Amino acid sequence: DAGVIQSPRHEVTEMGQEVTLRCKPISGHNSLFWYRQTMMRGLELLIYFNNNVPIDDSGMPEDRFSAKMPNASFSTLKIQPSEPRDSAVYFCASSKPLYEQYFGPGTRLTVT
Amino acid sequence: DQQVKQNSPSLSVQEGRISILNCDYTNSMFDYFLWYKKYPAEGPTFLISISSIKDKNEDGRFTVFLNKSAKHLSLHIVPSQPGDSAVYFCAASVGNQFYFGTGTSLTVIP
Repeated sequence: DAGVIQSPRHEVTEMGQEVTLRCKPISGHNSLFWYRQTMMRGLELLIYFNNNVPIDDSGMPEDRFSAKMPNASFSTLKIQPSEPRDSAVYFCASSKPLYEQYFGPGTRLTVT
Repeated sequence: DQQVKQNSPSLSVQEGRISILNCDYTNSMFDYFLWYKKYPAEGPTFLISISSIKDKNEDGRFTVFLNKSAKHLSLHIVPSQPGDSAVYFCAASVGNQFYFGTGTSLTVIP
């Protein structure tokens, strides 16, 4: 299996622009997680889906952030409008329920 | 508030010696604990885990210890090797909710 795939690997955008991050989970995994990594807070869970349904989005920082999972093989995390403080590495992970998560390589987002 | 804490941001160890990485948690409901290893420009990879019903789990050079009364988790690597140099995250879960620490950067000196 190719593992969790994320795109793009790097994104540089200007403040106010819309940013869309993409994730393809491992086939057969029912759970998908979006994390944000910063130096100060480490890995923060933003949202997770179970069987394509958002279960807990309490970690989503603001209404500017939204996530969708239209099918079992694709998810997006959108930031609109983006701000400099959104600069971070965003990871997607997938798992079978109650098993360890497998992480993608991450998307490094820089908002100038 | 951080429910999982790694109070040491970095650790340096001589090759061949033991590395001990520590993690504290606050939620007594956590029932599963994990350690992840992360190299630069890569996502974290699963290393080892332990259920709350156990106090020790061993896998080769890696051993995880759980002290539920102290709400403390540790990862022992022995002997340490230069390839172990990475950032180590501990994580705790209840149900399908995972909480990660901020990571400890381990450097193994040849």
